[in-house]
Amino acid sequence: AQTVTQSQPEMSVQEAETVTLSCTYDTSESDYYLFWYKQPPSRQMILVIRQEAYKQQNATENRFSVNFQKAAKSFSLKISDSQLGDAAMYFCAYRRGDYAGGTSYGKLTFGQGTILTVHP
Amino acid sequence: DSGVTQTPKHLITATGQRVTLRCSPRSGDLSVYWYQQSLDQGLQFLIQYYNGEERAKGNILERFSAQQFPDLHSELNLSSLELGDSALYFCASSVGTSGGGETQYFGPGTRLLVL
Repeated sequence: AQTVTQSQPEMSVQEAETVTLSCTYDTSESDYYLFWYKQPPSRQMILVIRQEAYKQQNATENRFSVNFQKAAKSFSLKISDSQLGDAAMYFCAYRRGDYAGGTSYGKLTFGQGTILTVHP
Repeated sequence: DSGVTQTPKHLITATGQRVTLRCSPRSGDLSVYWYQQSLDQGLQFLIQYYNGEERAKGNILERFSAQQFPDLHSELNLSSLELGDSALYFCASSVGTSGGGETQYFGPGTRLLVL
């Protein structure tokens, strides 16, 4: 079974600074997708960024970028120019690829989450 | 606003009771997913339906059941409720069967408190 681990229960950053959230995962599959979701105090789950395992290029979405190290099974999220609105719980998630076999490839497996505090 | 709606927002009930949570996916989405978020278990996948049929099953208890109706809305039924069932229940939807890493859009959740 796949597992996702976020080793930082809490992180903090000053406004306008950069912060990196860590995520590691365990899988024997070669085809999969990785995601970062944000959960603000409203509890809504919002997709921040996604990465296809077959792509070597790291995904970027505005101030959010990832460092995807496939061999190390590491998928960290970098938030640049942090804003007060970035304060939230961040979840790393894994999804099996379409050709991994079985029927559960729609399932997202989440890490435990990292609470990010942004100080003004 | 993700376009996924869930009702009710909050639900307080007693042990042993039965409740139904409702989800309406985004317009055009055929897949509905149910997740449970609790303090001790974190975020867990329960079940997926695609166009009315069960597609994948996760750690869903036998006391829990779900279905997706012809209009594509879905209901999650929780019976013989226990204190440990208190959690935030999310519904998510996607266009197809989540192939190609398509995005799952989450609803605002239903917070269930079992007393």
